[in-house]
Amino acid sequence: EADIYQTPRYLVIGTGKKITLECSQTMGHDKMYWYQQDPGMELHLIHYSYGVNSTEKGDLSSESTVSRIRTEHFPLTLESARPSHTSQYLCASSPPGSGRRVEQFFGPGTRLTVL
Amino acid sequence: RKEVEQDPGPFNVPEGATVAFNCTYSNSASQSFFWYRQDCRKEPKLLMSVYSSGNEDGRFTAQLNRASQYISLLIRDSKLSDSATYLCVVNGMDSSYKLIFGSGTRLLVRP
Repeated sequence: EADIYQTPRYLVIGTGKKITLECSQTMGHDKMYWYQQDPGMELHLIHYSYGVNSTEKGDLSSESTVSRIRTEHFPLTLESARPSHTSQYLCASSPPGSGRRVEQFFGPGTRLTVL
Repeated sequence: RKEVEQDPGPFNVPEGATVAFNCTYSNSASQSFFWYRQDCRKEPKLLMSVYSSGNEDGRFTAQLNRASQYISLLIRDSKLSDSATYLCVVNGMDSSYKLIFGSGTRLLVRP
């Protein structure tokens, strides 16, 4: 089992609230990722980080922001939640290495509903 | 055209059947290939990596055809517990560390 944790698992919140989704891993992985997935649809990369103080936007435009101050921690923040942000947010990490050794390990996800 | 394309299914098969899923990818420079499994409302979990020579893990066999940019997954002797969505995954065009996920093929194994 991968040691990657996400909190909260479920969040129902009103429009305009600021929220932070937490993601932590205890495997010493240098690379971390955030994906967004709607029911029955594919995963879309919204942010990634290759190490401390390194963050990049992913392939899907997102109004969220991320930070990477510690290796093990990669929180995602929405300054003002909107109903269009309702989705499942999945955090993943991968170990140092290249080529075939870049498999990603996922946390259990946060299911966000914005009313 | 999507970077990774899969038949969405669902594939509805009886227990004990053999079922095969196919996937095509668009980036000829891709180096990393995987099959992930995702249960309903759960996170994806790595099923197996796919190597050029083909590889087998118990009832599961993965094949890679670089010339045709085609990946396959064969499941023999299907179990009820194999019911899930199977995601074909390839590393991204601009970075070997970014993965591109197909939309998945849904498998339903019936008693």
